Amino acid sequence: NAGVTQTPKFQVLKTGQSMTLQCAQDMNHNSMYWYRQDPGMGLRLIYYSASEGTTDKGEVPNGYNVSRLNKREFSLRLESAAPSQTSVYFCASSDWAWGGGNNEQFFGPGTRLTVL
Amino acid sequence: SQQGEEDPQALSIQEGENATMNCSYKTSINNLQWYRQNSGRGLVHLILIRSNEREKHSGRLRVTLDTSKKSSSLLITASRAADTASYFCATDAGGTSYGKLTFGQGTILTVHP
Repeated sequence: NAGVTQTPKFQVLKTGQSMTLQCAQDMNHNSMYWYRQDPGMGLRLIYYSASEGTTDKGEVPNGYNVSRLNKREFSLRLESAAPSQTSVYFCASSDWAWGGGNNEQFFGPGTRLTVL
Repeated sequence: SQQGEEDPQALSIQEGENATMNCSYKTSINNLQWYRQNSGRGLVHLILIRSNEREKHSGRLRVTLDTSKKSSSLLITASRAADTASYFCATDAGGTSYGKLTFGQGTILTVHP
């Protein structure tokens, strides 16, 4: 039982390049989330998926897109990377569902992204 | 915008002492959660307290919630060097929030052996 896995662990991009961050969970959770963590800013929600087939914007969605590929996988794409997107990116999942479920979130180990 | 604000931003104590961290928030909540983050790692859930609860315990952790003051505190008793980490509060507004959490900026706890 691996929990939440993220790839890659580290990435360096040049301005304008694109990349996709991968996230997968093996806990059969309904909901998945992407956050970014910047020094002194805590975690900010980029996008979330409350259930398979749905996605929605969080607090800081500009410059990102997401895909909920299936119940297990939720990817985050940077189409044209900018230095302001240098950050640590965390994926999380929870068992939240309408009418019940537990919204304790389980986090992956993070991806450290630097955009030059 | 950040829902939770944590106080202090940094706390340095000796092993065996108690550590208290505070969290304030702005809007009504369904529950409040505390997470720990060791350096360079993902966050780990510690404890959840619902809006109709006032106090909750888990091992050496004690969490209180005062919804009238929109504040919560996390007490770690008899701290250990292994407790050194950043601690975050996170609020769940419930309803149509889809389980989303809003995190505070965190308290950095250093426990000296």
